[in-house]
Amino acid sequence: GAGVSQSPSNKVTEKGKDVELRCDPISGHTALYWYRQSLGQGLEFLIYFQGNSAPDKSGLPSDRFSAERTGGSVSTLTIQRTQQEDSAVYLCASSSAVRLMNTEAFFGQGTRLTVV
Amino acid sequence: AQTVTQSQPEMSVQEAETVTLSCTYDTSENNYYLFWYKQPPSRQMILVIRQEAYKQQNATENRFSVNFQKAAKSFSLKISDSQLGDTAMYFCAFMSNYGQNFVFGPGTRLSVLP
Repeated sequence: GAGVSQSPSNKVTEKGKDVELRCDPISGHTALYWYRQSLGQGLEFLIYFQGNSAPDKSGLPSDRFSAERTGGSVSTLTIQRTQQEDSAVYLCASSSAVRLMNTEAFFGQGTRLTVV
Repeated sequence: AQTVTQSQPEMSVQEAETVTLSCTYDTSENNYYLFWYKQPPSRQMILVIRQEAYKQQNATENRFSVNFQKAAKSFSLKISDSQLGDTAMYFCAFMSNYGQNFVFGPGTRLSVLP
């Protein structure tokens, strides 16, 4: 596609439910990132995929969070047993280079998750 | 661990005027990269400008320029001839030469007033 696409744009869920957030990166981009942006805060790194390498999961806040990237393209971020503190905007970005400094990261418009 | 600080939560500027957004960071590394990203109400992050730490010359992109002071670990963004479309959140970000991800500051909300 022309840009990074994220769905849904907004998601309201009840506490304790599982949610799945989807990211479609720019075609051909090998690197994919997930970030979380809480209200009034900066971007918190969650997870990074690069090609077929093992993902860098060092930013995942708890074992309720997981992510997959199928076929080196689409990625799904799953949050199990959602809590109110999970409410945030979840941003996905993709890049065509191994090292981001050689290019720029293109971001999607994010998914606003609200846990009630 | 690296940290990025933006001490101005909110700023405003009159249209056509110049405004400077501050950013400081903390690192023990010598080679790294710095970025300014803009996030308009649409939520989409847009790269404004980037600076490689090994380059002494300050980066410039049209109306946007930076004042990079490596010794002071300062990386401010100057927006000249401000336009209404510049209204957005601005994030300063740090990338280690060895790292794979960005460390972002908390952001500065800029309002350009007509």
